[in-house]
Amino acid sequence: QVQLVQSGAEVKKPGASVKVSCEVSGYRFTDYYIHWLRQAPGQALESMGWINPNNGHTYYGQKFRDRVTMTRVTSISTVYMEMTRLTSDDTALYYCARDGASVAILSLHYAMDVWGQGTTVTVSS
Amino acid sequence: QSALTQPASVSGSPGQSITISCTGTTSNVGNYNLVSWYQQYPGKAPKLVISEVTKRPSEVSNRFSGSKSANTASLTISGLQAEDEADYYCCSYAGFSAGVFGTGTRVTVL
Repeated sequence: QVQLVQSGAEVKKPGASVKVSCEVSGYRFTDYYIHWLRQAPGQALESMGWINPNNGHTYYGQKFRDRVTMTRVTSISTVYMEMTRLTSDDTALYYCARDGASVAILSLHYAMDVWGQGTTVTVSS
Repeated sequence: QSALTQPASVSGSPGQSITISCTGTTSNVGNYNLVSWYQQYPGKAPKLVISEVTKRPSEVSNRFSGSKSANTASLTISGLQAEDEADYYCCSYAGFSAGVFGTGTRVTVL
């Protein structure tokens, strides 16, 4: 079945970096955009950006543009989200999610139809 | 992008209908028919219940429906059931590859 499986929880010190992975299965990896989102404790969902697994093209939200990098390794159907210069404000549950629109139509629908299980990132000194 | 505005909470009795609003601007909700809605239980990942304003995935109950008027999208849950008690989020495409989520609504079944 279609699945997105994320890497495990992380605990980091302020100023450190974190890299979260999202392994795709059950469909052709290069066919659908992957979003990264986060949810701080008790807060709303927040869109961080997305990656086109077919060509590696990325978009980062303005808030994350200078600290986040999204990459993919096609041979293992995995996308990665790396965030640098972590602060306590980055403590959150991080999700990857598939956009329901195929990359073939050249535009996202921002309708995330399959989600990873989430990865908790805790930033604490 | 500022978050889309949703009521913090909405409640209803079993069997009733409730509507959750999602207010944006002409830069997002008002300009694109790309509004989606998500249901989230505590400690769980969100689940897509409506895409492209009105489209319902096949596995989602037909008690869920979506609509839009000007800068405000709405999610209606009819025949409210105990299992509908959850948090609900809207999301809209906002142009230039960006997306924006709503502030979230807690639905309580009385």
